[in-house]
Amino acid sequence: EVQLVESGGGLVKPGGSLRLSCAASGFTFSSYNMNWVRQAPGKGLEWVSSISIRSGYIYYADSVKGRFTVSRENAKNSLYLQMNSLRAEDTAVYYCAREPPGSDYFDYWGPGTQVTVSS
Amino acid sequence: QSVLTQPPSVSAAPGQKVTISCSGSSSNIGNKHVSWYQQLPGTAPKLLIYENNKRPSGIPDRFSGSKSGTSATLGITGLQTGDEADYYCGTWDTSLSEGVFGGGTKLTVL
Repeated sequence: EVQLVESGGGLVKPGGSLRLSCAASGFTFSSYNMNWVRQAPGKGLEWVSSISIRSGYIYYADSVKGRFTVSRENAKNSLYLQMNSLRAEDTAVYYCAREPPGSDYFDYWGPGTQVTVSS
Repeated sequence: QSVLTQPPSVSAAPGQKVTISCSGSSSNIGNKHVSWYQQLPGTAPKLLIYENNKRPSGIPDRFSGSKSGTSATLGITGLQTGDEADYYCGTWDTSLSEGVFGGGTKLTVL
């Protein structure tokens, strides 16, 4: 069974940092592109970042470019999102999502982890 | 302001049919496949339709997708109260080099 489980969320002050993790199981992690998608309270989905199988292709939304860094460790079946210079508008539930190679869709999502940026 | 445009809400009675539109441009829907996601209250999104009109295993054929030009449509027939959810379209934008979603449509089954 495919499972994605995010962790690392919490309450952080503006300007602070947080590192999210996504633990994958039930599939060959190294064969899939991975993404982060977030959802602010009461708002819609916002794509955040994408990383290819061997980390050769990495993309970010303009809203997080220069502040967030995505990475992965295929040997540990893990995806990460390092978030620096956090702002109130980064408050959201952060989901990791699996993307089949050569596709434009996300076939499995984790349950999400809450990030709250507040003083 | 989302790159893809969806109606904020739609409603219909149980057993009826509803369609949800998703409008984009040549840099996204116009040359990329569209996917649709269902988000039940308090849960993570779930893939409903991929590559414009394909259903993952386990998704009933009451759900269908289509695409024409720079627009896509999700159709749901035989509406059930359990279909009440937020629905999102998504794709990749080649000009932005970003993933993009519609703003979401809240379905109410009256």
